[in-house]
Amino acid sequence: EIMLTQSPGTLSLSPGERATLSCRASQSVSSSYLAWYQQKPGQAPRLLIYGASSRATGIPDRFSGSGSGTDFTLTISGLEPEDFAAYYCHQYGSSPWTFGQGTRVEIK
Amino acid sequence: QLQLQESGPGLVKPSETLSLTCTVSGGSISSSSYYWGWIRQPPGKELEWIGSIYYSGSTSCNPSLKSRVTISVDTSKNQFSLKLNSVTAADTAVYYCARQLWSNLFDPWGQGTLVTVSS
Repeated sequence: EIMLTQSPGTLSLSPGERATLSCRASQSVSSSYLAWYQQKPGQAPRLLIYGASSRATGIPDRFSGSGSGTDFTLTISGLEPEDFAAYYCHQYGSSPWTFGQGTRVEIK
Repeated sequence: QLQLQESGPGLVKPSETLSLTCTVSGGSISSSSYYWGWIRQPPGKELEWIGSIYYSGSTSCNPSLKSRVTISVDTSKNQFSLKLNSVTAADTAVYYCARQLWSNLFDPWGQGTLVTVSS
């Protein structure tokens, strides 16, 4: 089973600042099958990034993903008020499919 | 637009069976392009994949839960279901259903339903 470790656990930033979230896998994620989801309280996870760097339909270009192998990054360039939420990475290259423990982006 | 909605009891007693149904609207569960999955999130913890099913009835499950999980599909009702037996407090979680693409990516998800295991 591939374990995903996200850091930091919480990120305190102000609107307009840049957020950099990390996801490290315990073994290489095949074909960069790494996704990022955004989740707000009481809501379902929303797909932001798939294939490590492809934005899902309707996702603003301030969200970008990068990385390969075992190290992946989600960057939000210029936080908007609606971006303060929890973010989860997810590997779907090797069963059982697994998720990271999440990074919470909070308003400073 | 595809939508998924979970339904079922919000409270289950320890040692009993948790039963949930996911109703799919805006698309057919019989599409050959997708699997349909269950994922859960215990309070304050990470998401955990439970298992998935194809419209034909073929299933795959997380080995950590496989011995207790049954997933079934009813194409006539455009629904799929989850049964988790011998539940304990550790099974308390928000349970989500989701469409699983051929790449194994989950999108979209239902809103989720909280199931509490308590006597």
